[in-house]
Amino acid sequence: GQNIDQPTEMTATEGAIVQINCTYQTSGFNGLFWYQQHAGEAPTFLSYNVLDGLEEKGRFSSFLSRSKGYSYLLLKELQMKDSASYLCAVKGVAAGNNRKLIWGLGTSLAVNP
Amino acid sequence: NAGVTQTPKFQVLKTGQSMTLQCAQDMNHEYMSWYRQDPGMGLRLIHYSVGAGITDQGEVPNGYNVSRSTTEDFPLRLLSAAPSQTSVYFCASSPGGRPNYGYTFGSGTRLTVV
Repeated sequence: GQNIDQPTEMTATEGAIVQINCTYQTSGFNGLFWYQQHAGEAPTFLSYNVLDGLEEKGRFSSFLSRSKGYSYLLLKELQMKDSASYLCAVKGVAAGNNRKLIWGLGTSLAVNP
Repeated sequence: NAGVTQTPKFQVLKTGQSMTLQCAQDMNHEYMSWYRQDPGMGLRLIHYSVGAGITDQGEVPNGYNVSRSTTEDFPLRLLSAAPSQTSVYFCASSPGGRPNYGYTFGSGTRLTVV
């Protein structure tokens, strides 16, 4: 089957660094996405990885290892506004199905002062 | 640019009623989709479209219909509402050939079926 695993909850301190992990098993791989979702709001796009390695975008970085089926989202210099759910999603490959994403359940991050 | 606009934001329906959730995007995106999000279930794909006149089923299509007569609009119809359809519904769009762009989501419709 296809599945994505993320920790359910994490807590961290303002100003610190936190790493949110995502492991996946999918039929084919055509890219991995990270989204941020604040409570009561829509998901917003953070990053996209299709090749192995680290993609840096300001305070947020995302890493991918295709051979290990593993990704992480790294948040630096945490701010209170980073308290949100972080969703990992993988685009698999299937005939007529190339736009569908497989979504993890999300990791709820609480940033404490 | 308004992005992806969903209406209504909140709706209460009685069991058996029908309604249409509206979704419109002004970014000329080829791909549009409807998701429902339930606690502990994550985002589940209901229907999607890769262009005007083309739609296909996602993983939870039963009880829902869609159509895509224009690039901009992708309405979701609930045929006969059931309490199991109580959920938050999101419409999302993305451009063709640019996977690194990600999806743009609408603000969501919170639907309660009583």
